[in-house]
Amino acid sequence: EDKVVQSPLSLVVHEGDTVTLNCSYEVTNFRSLLWYKQEKKAPTFLFMLTSSGIEKKSGRLSSILDKKELFSILNITATQTGDSAVYLCAGNTGNQFYFGTGTSLTVIP
Amino acid sequence: DADVTQTPRNRITKTGKRIMLECSQTKGHDRMYWYRQDPGLGLQLIYYSFDVKDINKGEISDGYSVSRQAQAKFSLSLESAIPNQTALYFCATSDLPGTGLDTQYFGPGTRLTVL
Repeated sequence: EDKVVQSPLSLVVHEGDTVTLNCSYEVTNFRSLLWYKQEKKAPTFLFMLTSSGIEKKSGRLSSILDKKELFSILNITATQTGDSAVYLCAGNTGNQFYFGTGTSLTVIP
Repeated sequence: DADVTQTPRNRITKTGKRIMLECSQTKGHDRMYWYRQDPGLGLQLIYYSFDVKDINKGEISDGYSVSRQAQAKFSLSLESAIPNQTALYFCATSDLPGTGLDTQYFGPGTRLTVL
């Protein structure tokens, strides 16, 4: 059974902290790993990862994939209150996207 | 204008009623999906369609049906709504693998409450 597991389920940090969100996957015919940010609306795309060890960066956010150990991490440095959201990861087979339950991040001023 | 739209955005209905949720997209994608999201359960796939003649069940299709009226339109129906179908429903689209960014584009969601 294909599955994606995220940890922790929730996280509360202070502004300026650095956080690491984890995503492990067991997806048959794996093609790519995607990260989304979901505030009180639809998920919005952050990163797509297909190759091991190559870091993707966007501002204070970065992500990397390990295809040998079947996991990915999303790092957020110097967190801001606007980073408060649910972060979803998904394993993509090319036909289907398997989502984790998400990590709820709350950044306190 | 939004690339993926859903109607209605909110709906309250009673047990046993038939409900249709509609999704339209202007992205020109062949692939469309319906998900439901419940607190603590993430996004669960209900149905997906790779073109007008190709419709597939997802992991939680019982109690739901779909219709792909055109490339741009994909509707989800609850034949006889029950309270545990109360959830947030998302429509999404994606391009063919390898033709571009392998991601999904989500509609704004429909919040459905079944009393």
